[in-house]
Amino acid sequence: AQTVTQSQPEMSVQEAETVTLSCTYDTSESDYYLFWYKQPPSRQMILVIRQEAYKQQNATENRFSVNFQKAAKSFSLKISDSQLGDAAMYFCAYGSGGSNYKLTFGKGTLLTVNP
Amino acid sequence: NAGVTQTPKFQVLKTGQSMTLQCAQDMNHNSMYWYRQDPGMGLRLIYYSASEGTTDKGEVPNGYNVSRLNKREFSLRLESAAPSQTSVYFCASNGGNLPQETQYFGPGTRLLVL
Repeated sequence: AQTVTQSQPEMSVQEAETVTLSCTYDTSESDYYLFWYKQPPSRQMILVIRQEAYKQQNATENRFSVNFQKAAKSFSLKISDSQLGDAAMYFCAYGSGGSNYKLTFGKGTLLTVNP
Repeated sequence: NAGVTQTPKFQVLKTGQSMTLQCAQDMNHNSMYWYRQDPGMGLRLIYYSASEGTTDKGEVPNGYNVSRLNKREFSLRLESAAPSQTSVYFCASNGGNLPQETQYFGPGTRLLVL
């Protein structure tokens, strides 16, 4: 079974600075997808960014980018120019399974943004 | 286009009572999922349905049953609620139009079992 590990239960960053959230995963599959989801206090799960394992290029979405290291099974999220609205719980997720596609989530990292 | 909707938003049950959580999606997605979220545990998969007419167990299925009523609707039933089932429940869906692998989540149902 796949596992996803987020080793940082909590992180903090100053407004306008950069922060990196860590995620590692364990799998024997070659075809899979990786995601970062944001959960603000409203509890709504919001997709931040996705990465296909077959793509070598790291995904980027505005201020959010990832560092995908397939051999190391590492998938970190970098948030640049942090804003107060970035404060939330962030979940890393691994997706695979073909016709029985499922996501496996990490336990989350709580990000605090200090003004 | 409402995406994924869940009812109710909040429910209080007594131990032993039963209830059904409802989920519907209007994105023509094939696959639907039920998760529970507990403090410090992330989201754990309870049951999923890869297509209309099929359901499969996830990581934590004990104490739950599901029904894929049609392509749009996927319900989760607690036959005899226990305090250990106090949690936030999320429904999600994916499939159909690209990107097929990205799951879209409902707003969640907060359940308290006394």
